[in-house]
Amino acid sequence: ELKVEQNPLFLSMQEGKNYTIYCNYSTTSDRLYWYRQDPGKSLESLFVLLSNGAVKQEGRLMASLDTKARLSTLHITAAVHDLSATYFCAVDGAGSYQLTFGKGTKLSVIP
Amino acid sequence: SAVISQKPSRDICQRGTSLTIQCQVDSQVTMMFWYRQQPGQSLTLIATANQGSEATYESGFVIDKFPISRPNLTFSTLTVSNMSPEDSSIYLCSVAEGGEQYFGPGTRLTVT
Repeated sequence: ELKVEQNPLFLSMQEGKNYTIYCNYSTTSDRLYWYRQDPGKSLESLFVLLSNGAVKQEGRLMASLDTKARLSTLHITAAVHDLSATYFCAVDGAGSYQLTFGKGTKLSVIP
Repeated sequence: SAVISQKPSRDICQRGTSLTIQCQVDSQVTMMFWYRQQPGQSLTLIATANQGSEATYESGFVIDKFPISRPNLTFSTLTVSNMSPEDSSIYLCSVAEGGEQYFGPGTRLTVT
């Protein structure tokens, strides 16, 4: 059974600081996804990581994937209040597009 | 990217009744999925709905409780049957397209 662990589950950080969210998964996977969810909203796709060593960046967010360690990171640079949301990683087991989600990291950026 | 709509966006239902949720996609897609997000929780896959075949359900979800239809490549329905307060959740459909997976806006269900 594929398991996905995220940490931390809660993160409170000051504006301008850097931090990293970690996502570990238990079995081989073809794809790793990062999503953002604002309160009362659906999921917004941030990144899809496909191969070992993949790195993608969008604005203040950068995601990377290490398939050997079964680890993905979402790095936040110089956080701003607008980044406050819940971030989920999700893993696609064996190319099925059936996603297993981590529990999510609720990020609060304090001015 | 695929654009997904769901109806209704929210509903309040009495226990013992059933609700059918509709999911419409603006393009033809092979794979559609239904997820549940219980209050304050992460998402859990309910079932995979591929056109032309029976839906496949994940452990803990059964067809009698969550019957699914997939009549064509742009539409699917999920019914939540004989509802109880434990069914209060957000139900989201999603589609896989071009290596990405997109989610609908969700249906927020409250069972009283």
